[in-house]
Amino acid sequence: AQTVTQSQPEMSVQEAETVTLSCTYDTSENNYYLFWYKQPPSRQMILVIRQEAYKQQNATENRFSVNFQKAAKSFSLKISDSQLGDTAMYFCAFRAASGTYKYIFGTGTRLKVLA
Amino acid sequence: GAVVSQHPSRVICKSGTSVKIECRSLDFQATTMFWYRQFPKQSLMLMATSNEGSKATYEQGVEKDKFLINHASLTLSTLTVTSAHPEDSSFYICSASASNYNYGYTFGSGTRLTVV
Repeated sequence: AQTVTQSQPEMSVQEAETVTLSCTYDTSENNYYLFWYKQPPSRQMILVIRQEAYKQQNATENRFSVNFQKAAKSFSLKISDSQLGDTAMYFCAFRAASGTYKYIFGTGTRLKVLA
Repeated sequence: GAVVSQHPSRVICKSGTSVKIECRSLDFQATTMFWYRQFPKQSLMLMATSNEGSKATYEQGVEKDKFLINHASLTLSTLTVTSAHPEDSSFYICSASASNYNYGYTFGSGTRLTVV
């Protein structure tokens, strides 16, 4: 069975600084997808970034980038130039490329951006 | 982009009554929808996977007779909490995937259910 671990329950960062959220996972699958979702106080889940396991190149979306280490089963999220609006709960999610297609979520990291 | 509408956003019901939550994909056909439950400051717990035109697949420990899921069309799935009790009070979220689901699922805005 797949598992996703987020070892940082809470983090804080000063506005304009950079922060990295960690995520590790365990799977025997070779082909899968990884996602970071953001859940602000409104509780709306918002897709931040996605990564296909078969791609070696790390995904980037504006200020958000990932460090995907397939051998180490690590998928960290880097937020550059942090903004107050980045304050939210961040969830790492795994989805196999075949089978049930359901997400396996981590326990989340609560990020607070300080002014 | 893909939009999922979830209604109601908040509902209060009396213990013993039933409440229905709707999840609609507005601009795409959702072959699969997922229903989650989220407790305060916790992660999302998958309750069931709903496929259009077939019975939902429930996760272990989820009472299928209590949480009725219907996915009668490619744009609508409903979750009915039957004979609700205070312990059913929670935040319920749906998500939907189109045929090209590799881009990630879209989530509804959630429903806060309070059973009194």
